[in-house]
Amino acid sequence: ELKVEQNPLFLSMQEGKNYTIYCNYSTTSDRLYWYRQDPGKSLESLFVLLSNGAVKQEGRLMASLDTKARLSTLHITAAVHDLSATYFCAVDMRDGTDKLIFGTGTRLQVFP
Amino acid sequence: GAVVSQHPSRVICKSGTSVKIECRSLDFQATTMFWYRQFPKQSLMLMATSNEGSKATYEQGVEKDKFLINHASLTLSTLTVTSAHPEDSSFYICSAAGQSDTQYFGPGTRLTVL
Repeated sequence: ELKVEQNPLFLSMQEGKNYTIYCNYSTTSDRLYWYRQDPGKSLESLFVLLSNGAVKQEGRLMASLDTKARLSTLHITAAVHDLSATYFCAVDMRDGTDKLIFGTGTRLQVFP
Repeated sequence: GAVVSQHPSRVICKSGTSVKIECRSLDFQATTMFWYRQFPKQSLMLMATSNEGSKATYEQGVEKDKFLINHASLTLSTLTVTSAHPEDSSFYICSAAGQSDTQYFGPGTRLTVL
């Protein structure tokens, strides 16, 4: 059974600081997604990582994928309050079903 | 492009009644649709996968007789929660995937069972 774990589960950080969220998964996959969820809302797609070594950046967020280590990171640079949300990684099972298994989520709070 | 809608966005019902939630892909044909459930402060849990014209595949622990899924066309899937109980109160999110395999998520339906 594929397990996807994120850490930390909760992150409170000051504006302007940097931090990294980690996503570990338990089986082989070379396709991983990052999503953002605001309270009471659905998911907003952030990144799709499609191969080992993939790195994508958008604004203050940068995501990377290491399929050998079964690890993805979401790095936050110079955090701002607007980044406060819950972030999920999701791993494609790659078994032909297109199923995604979601991580536990990281609730990020950025304060002044 | 790649817009997925859900209806209703919010529903409150009495215990024992049935509720139908619709998921539509508005500008693409979705060969596969997925239904997720999310309890407060938790992650998304996949309930079932539905392919157009065939029976849905349910995840372990999901009662197929309680959560009826119909995928009648390439743009519409419905989830019916039968004989709803308060413990079925949750946020239900659908997603749709076309030829690119990427899932596009709907805005979610908040179900409250009294």
